[in-house]
Amino acid sequence: QKEVEQNSGPLSVPEGAIASLNCTYSDRGSQSFFWYRQYSGKSPELIMFIYSNGDKEDGRFTAQLNKASQYVSLLIRDSQPSDSATYLCAVTNGGFKTIFGAGTRLFVKA
Amino acid sequence: EAQVTQNPRYLITVTGKKLTVTCSQNMNHEYMSWYRQDPGLGLRQIYYSMNVEVTDKGDVPEGYKVSRKEKRNFPLILESPSPNQTSLYFCASRPSTSGSPDTQYFGPGTRLTVL
Repeated sequence: QKEVEQNSGPLSVPEGAIASLNCTYSDRGSQSFFWYRQYSGKSPELIMFIYSNGDKEDGRFTAQLNKASQYVSLLIRDSQPSDSATYLCAVTNGGFKTIFGAGTRLFVKA
Repeated sequence: EAQVTQNPRYLITVTGKKLTVTCSQNMNHEYMSWYRQDPGLGLRQIYYSMNVEVTDKGDVPEGYKVSRKEKRNFPLILESPSPNQTSLYFCASRPSTSGSPDTQYFGPGTRLTVL
């Protein structure tokens, strides 16, 4: 079982819709959770991080964390074609290692 | 400008020919790390360094070496590259080694092909 799992996609949504990206993790000691966006051929860039159960909103992005279910998600409201990218979920346990999921490819159709 | 730089950006080499990929950051970060990215596998950590002269293995260290003689530099060394090390490599840094969830800053990537 992979430590951090994501649906590889592609996830296709129409412009203006809500895109929902999901991630599950296996280490119950995980403390910090990150969502990175990666455009093709580019390096990952941080979108959001979340530490506590519940929702965290930043503009069109909302991260949701449920530690009991070992589940973290990213919602993108009013999706734009420029949001088309691969979204990487990353998890740390408070130490020095970061575990990444394989990523979910998102396509936003104009 | 705060950044992480990597060189070279692209490299094609042959099996067994030693190579070094350099990584440098100008943000005075303590923590630096190397990842490789392969299709369907995401980013996998190779080695990381908590500070000068302090390094540790990540999840896929076999076939790689690192050194941290200066705070700003963290080179990745492939003593005898093999075709299964063909990959996209990223260097990253972050400001703290305390275990706090500081965000990582990634370099632009090095695409390595080993023939």
